[in-house]
Amino acid sequence: AQSVTQLGSHVSVSEGALVLLRCNYSSSVPPYLFWYVQYPNQGLQLLLKYTTGATLVKGINGFEAEFKKSETSFHLTKPSAHMSDAAEYFCAVRNTGGFKTIFGAGTRLFVKA
Amino acid sequence: DADVTQTPRNRITKTGKRIMLECSQTKGHDRMYWYRQDPGLGLQLIYYSFDVKDINKGEISDGYSVSRQAQAKFSLSLESAIPNQTALYFCATRKQGASVSYEQYFGPGTRLTVT
Repeated sequence: AQSVTQLGSHVSVSEGALVLLRCNYSSSVPPYLFWYVQYPNQGLQLLLKYTTGATLVKGINGFEAEFKKSETSFHLTKPSAHMSDAAEYFCAVRNTGGFKTIFGAGTRLFVKA
Repeated sequence: DADVTQTPRNRITKTGKRIMLECSQTKGHDRMYWYRQDPGLGLQLIYYSFDVKDINKGEISDGYSVSRQAQAKFSLSLESAIPNQTALYFCATRKQGASVSYEQYFGPGTRLTVT
């Protein structure tokens, strides 16, 4: 069965600092992996996705994530945090050929001035 | 205009009342989903629909029912609301097809409070 674990329900960084949000998954077959972002009072929107090919994927707003099969990880990074990055971030996994996307519990990112 | 809309955006209701949450989409997607979001639990799938005649239960369907009135409309009902159904509810859509990457498109959510 698929599962997603996001390490840390809350992460706090200073403006300009590196953002690292961790995601580990379990899947018996090659997965599709996603990061979604949820701003206050809004629905989720796709930040980036990995399907096949290059393992380093770039998304919107300067975020990127690297698929590491050996570590079953898909951590999200951004070199320099901005106040507008404060939001909740969800990692998600879907098996190729599966019917459902499984979401992690979410990590709330706080950015300090 | 938003591609996926939900009504109402906020609702307070009493225990035992019947309530319907509505979702409409203009993306032309076949697949639609209802999720529930609780703090610390992420999103849990309530029901999903592949088309008007194909509706399936998700992980937490007990106490909920759905109706797919048209390709563009997917409603979620709570027949007799209870306080532990207080949550944020999201509708989502997805395009069907072998070449797509399974990205889902979410509505803005409905915040439901059952007192």
